[in-house]
Amino acid sequence: AQKITQTQPGMFVQEKEAVTLDCTYDTSDPSYGLFWYKQPSSGEMIFLIYQGSYDQQNATEGRYSLNFQKARKSANLVISASQLGDSAMYFCAMRENSGYSTLTFGKGTMLLVSP
Amino acid sequence: DGGITQSPKYLFRKEGQNVTLSCEQNLNHDAMYWYRQDPGQGLRLIYYSQIVNDFQKGDIAEGYSVSREKKESFPLTVTSAQKNPTAFYLCASSRGYGYTFGSGTRLTVV
Repeated sequence: AQKITQTQPGMFVQEKEAVTLDCTYDTSDPSYGLFWYKQPSSGEMIFLIYQGSYDQQNATEGRYSLNFQKARKSANLVISASQLGDSAMYFCAMRENSGYSTLTFGKGTMLLVSP
Repeated sequence: DGGITQSPKYLFRKEGQNVTLSCEQNLNHDAMYWYRQDPGQGLRLIYYSQIVNDFQKGDIAEGYSVSREKKESFPLTVTSAQKNPTAFYLCASSRGYGYTFGSGTRLTVV
């Protein structure tokens, strides 16, 4: 079974609008961390935001926020005021703290921002 | 500045040849990882190492080998046993919840 599911292969958004990228996860570990990364066409992985399973508040980093719904096991990324430079692949990842420190990734969502 | 260096950026290999991808970090991170990325597949874990002289297989280790003789270095060898090695390979390191990725090596079998 997939541990991280990203159901949107591609998303379109107009510049200056907000967009939500979906991520659901599956774990029986009560302690875990959720990450979002951006991968532009150059291939580098850029860290965007982190949410711990015990964090009470939803994480925010500038224009990025994480809509964490623990009971639904979802960790959606919200990008506000989209910019042309936001066009890239976006990956959701999870680390289960009971085991090793490896990250498990979803298959990604390609976001295209149009003028 | 600290970071991870992967080399080469592009690599071409003939079928039946072994090839080694380099990954060096100067972040003093204990843990290092190798991921493979195929189109539409996301990143899949090949091998990881928590400390020097120790490493574990990930989800897709068949046809690959690694070594961890130094804290800074975690080279990946793609052997002739790997049936479909053409892919983008990413190396990463971590300390705590901070992960740093290299810029990747694109391997093509010709």
